[in-house]
Order: sequence, then C-alpha cells, then structure tokens
Amino acid sequence: QVHLVQSGAEVGKPGASVKVSCKPSGYTFIDYFIHWVRQAPGQGLEWMGRINPKSGGADYAQKFQGRVTMTRDTSLTIAYMEVSRLRSDDAVVYYCARESYGSGNYYTFDFWGQGTQVTVSS
Amino acid sequence: IVLTQSPDTLSLSPGERATLSCRASQSISSNYLAWYQQKPGQAPRLLIYGASSRATGIPDRFSGSGSGTDFTLTISRLEPEDSAVYFCQQYGRSFWTFGQGTKVEIK
Repeated sequence: QVHLVQSGAEVGKPGASVKVSCKPSGYTFIDYFIHWVRQAPGQGLEWMGRINPKSGGADYAQKFQGRVTMTRDTSLTIAYMEVSRLRSDDAVVYYCARESYGSGNYYTFDFWGQGTQVTVSS
Repeated sequence: IVLTQSPDTLSLSPGERATLSCRASQSISSNYLAWYQQKPGQAPRLLIYGASSRATGIPDRFSGSGSGTDFTLTISRLEPEDSAVYFCQQYGRSFWTFGQGTKVEIK
C-alpha cells in the first residue's frame, strides 16, 4: 500500500527558511517523480515543482525558481522541499504527491502526503 | 494554460446529478486532464485521469468527459459523502495547473 508521510508543522521567521520532508513507502522510491503542491487557506492548489528521485534533477514553477529547492536522500528514501526567504504568503499547507506512471495514467498525482502547515512568524 | 471551473458552488440534494465544468484557456490533450476531490482537512484524492478514466476504487457514479477546451465531471447520484471541493488539473510543457475548484454542497 502506497503512503506518503510528511513532516510535522513548521514555524519560520520572515526571511528565514523552512524544510519539509516527505517519506514514501509501498513502492520503489526512485521509480516515481515527487511533486510539491501548496494550498492557502480556503484557496486552490498551486504546483511548485517536482524532483526525479533517481537523478536528483528538479523542475520548478517559474514563480518559485531561486527560492525553493527540492532534494532527496536515496539512502533514507526521503524527498525534501525547502522554501527560503520566507514571506507571510508562504504560510500555507504544503503537500507532496507522487506522479502517476503507467496503465494510461500519466502526469497526474495518484498519491498524496497528509500536508504540512507552515507558519511564518517573528 | 488557465483552467476555469464553474460554478463556484453547487448546492444539490442527495440523489441528484451534479455537473461540474472545467474550461481551458487553450486546447489541451484529454490524456492530461484529471479531476480531484478534496474534503476539509484532507489531501486531494485522484478521481479521474485521462479526462474519462476512473482512478482505482472510485465509484462509478463519478464520470468524466470532454475534449479540447471543455471538460465535465458528473456525479450521477449524489451521496452525502460527496460533499467536497473538486479540482480539475492539466499537464502541458512540463507545467501543471489546477482550476480554482467547485464546492459541492449537499442539502
């Protein structure tokens, strides 16, 4: 059974950084891309980028280029997403999600983490 | 590509049919159009991929259709547990976008 478990709620100061982790289980870690999606309270979903766990290469939405870094640790089978230079509008819920592959289902998000709330406060 | 969903809110009774629309700002491949359900405090759940294929475990009262710029999610007979926000999503040119969501309320 596939599960993605994210780290707990984080608090960061304005201008600082926070790092969220995502640990998948139930499948081979390097076989599927991991994406990060965020959601403001009562708002829609915003795609941030994805990482290829096999190569470590990442693609970012233009909005987050230079301020968000996605990494992974293949020995621990964990994916990470770090947001730097925190602003008040970064205080949202961050989700990791697995990109589907196979059986005609491509480029969707078939499994999601439970979400991590980030608070920005001095 | 911008996805615009309508209506913003749909209020219906159990057993009724719900029809949700997702319109793209330009033509997209139906292979890369998906729908998700999100309940309060939960992560989204994949319902439909490839515009019309149900994901694993999704009841057959959920169906998707459409092509080009106009796509539809239909819930044929609403159940109380269908109360949620529904998002469409598309992929194109290494970029993923979501619609703003339609809230379905059960009277």
